[in-house]
Amino acid sequence: GQQVMQIPQYQHVQEGEDFTTYCNSSTTLSNIQWYKQRPGGHPVFLIQLVKSGEVKKQKRLTFQFGEAKKNSSLHITATQTTDVGTYFCAGLNTNAGKSTFGDGTTLTVKP
Amino acid sequence: ETGVTQSPTHLIKTRGQQVTLRCSSQSGHNTVSWYQQALGQGPQFIFQYYREEENGRGNFPPRFSGLQFPNYSSELNVNALELDDSALYLCASSQRTGYNEQFFGPGTRLTVL
Repeated sequence: GQQVMQIPQYQHVQEGEDFTTYCNSSTTLSNIQWYKQRPGGHPVFLIQLVKSGEVKKQKRLTFQFGEAKKNSSLHITATQTTDVGTYFCAGLNTNAGKSTFGDGTTLTVKP
Repeated sequence: ETGVTQSPTHLIKTRGQQVTLRCSSQSGHNTVSWYQQALGQGPQFIFQYYREEENGRGNFPPRFSGLQFPNYSSELNVNALELDDSALYLCASSQRTGYNEQFFGPGTRLTVL
């Protein structure tokens, strides 16, 4: 079945440093979504990418979808303490009718 | 807040029992997906309901079943509970299947003893 892997599992950074998490799917995706989950909270939607090679920006966050639609990345520039949490990618295969989440990258930021 | 509500917040059951979890979707949403999230892992897709019909299922046994009602609220039923069923159960609603963001509820924390 479809598998979605994320690396790294954990990332500890000093405030102001950059952060990147990578997402790789075993199959070609229809789209990919990114979510953020704060400790004790629930996933909150950040963005959706649909087109091959798509790049989207949200302030300090940059999201990319690979040309083959099998990988994606999230890059945060100049991290802040408010960025702490676990970032999940979720790949959708419309043929299978389900979203597959990666296991997330947990970001901690030292002030 | 997303407008998606779940009940109960916490639940403790013993092995072999049955449990029903409830989810009210956000206004205007006709699709509900259920996920199981074990500690330290990503949400695992259980199944999705679209306009009261099951529309996709993950790798969960038949003792996990669900319903969606005409008002698009939903239930997740789990029979013959096992210790490994202990997890956070999340429901997510969306406007339709596929290409729409999912709005997650706060989850139900199920502990099976």
